[in-house]
Formats: sequence, C-alpha cells, structure tokens
Amino acid sequence: ETGVTQTPRHLVMGMTNKKSLKCEQHLGHNAMYWYKQSAKKPLELMFVYSLEERVENNSVPSRFSPECPNSSHLFLHLHTLQPEDSALYLCASSQDRQFGTDTQYFGPGTRLTVL
Amino acid sequence: DAKTTQPTSMDCAEGRAANLPCNHSTISGNEYVYWYRQIHSQGPQYIIHGLKNNETNEMASLIITEDRKSSTLILPHATLRDTAVYYCIVSPKGGATNKLIFGTGTLLAVQP
Repeated sequence: ETGVTQTPRHLVMGMTNKKSLKCEQHLGHNAMYWYKQSAKKPLELMFVYSLEERVENNSVPSRFSPECPNSSHLFLHLHTLQPEDSALYLCASSQDRQFGTDTQYFGPGTRLTVL
Repeated sequence: DAKTTQPTSMDCAEGRAANLPCNHSTISGNEYVYWYRQIHSQGPQYIIHGLKNNETNEMASLIITEDRKSSTLILPHATLRDTAVYYCIVSPKGGATNKLIFGTGTLLAVQP
C-alpha cells in the first residue's frame, strides 16, 4: 500500500464511450503524474501537475484530458479512444521541492482495454 | 530517451545476493541515481536513491562508483517476491517537478 489509490482497477470501453480514471493520494504531496504503459514498452510520462497546475503535457492526444481539482485528486477523462490506447495507466505523486528531488509513489494502475 | 544502460535480464538463486548493474556514463553533477522496481502488472515501487555516496536501506544497497558513471543495486538475500523489472533512472534535482524517464530495465528472475 503506497498511499496512492486508483479507480477503477480495470476498465473496458468502446471507442465512442466517455469514461474517467481517478487517482487519490493520501501522502500530503503537492505534485501528481499520469503515466501510460503499453505492452512491452517503457512507462511514458503523460501529464504532470504541480500545486494543481499543469506543468507538463508530453504531446498527448486531446482525447485524453486531465483534471486536478486539488492536490489530493487527479482525474484522466477519456473520450473517443482508439484500440491502441489500451494500456496500464499509472498515477503517481511526489513532494516537489525547488532544490533536491523526492521520490514518486505510484498507484496500482488502471488496466484499460478499448474495444 | 533513457540516460541509463542496463542488462535486459538476470537470474539469481533464492537466498543469494542479486547485483544489478547500471551504466550512466553521461550523468551530470546535479543528477541523482534512482532505482525503482515493477512487479508484473503493478505500479513501480521506489527502492533507493543516491547522489555520490553509497546508500543502504531496509530493501537494498546502492553502490555508486567514484566517477559516478555506473552503479550497482544490491539485494542482499533475494527472495521469489523480488522477481520484477528493475529500473535505474537518473534524475536532476531542482526544478518544478521530478521527471522520471523509465527505460526498459532489467528483468530479475529469482530462481528457487
């Protein structure tokens, strides 16, 4: 148990559906991240939020829309996805500091299948 | 692109020490060396990190060479539950966020 929870753990959706992934951290951190892990590929950083502001968007298609309403919650809204978007979506959090780095704590992930 | 080089896979006998190497020859002075592991279909788990001194915690030891161009993660008594992909990552300090760039890692298979 890392203090980062994700729901749902598994999701199957059609290409025309709209769904949302939820992440919650109970660690008092001020930064949250979305990663994507496709089969047999390294983790790819998608979005980064620091102090509830998006500070990184790694050329992610607009069919993925993140939302960070507060420092404890992070959402990934999904619409009109493609089958190649099927992957494990991981959320992480950390305590950002201007100097020095801090470790990231990952949730268990949401296994997404797009039909 | 990941800035580290790791072997694709390694085997280790249960109860023996597992020594996982990592090459980071282009590391710069303000970059830390981080190790994470990922058990199949779970989220990555932080193990340890260091800047230039050797580090030890309850999970593992990290040995960094004096020139900082390579490091070794040591699991002193490997168990079957240590079977996972181990990622060595270099990450700069400072800045707004801690960006981790994951490579393909080393698949450690602990054999009974």
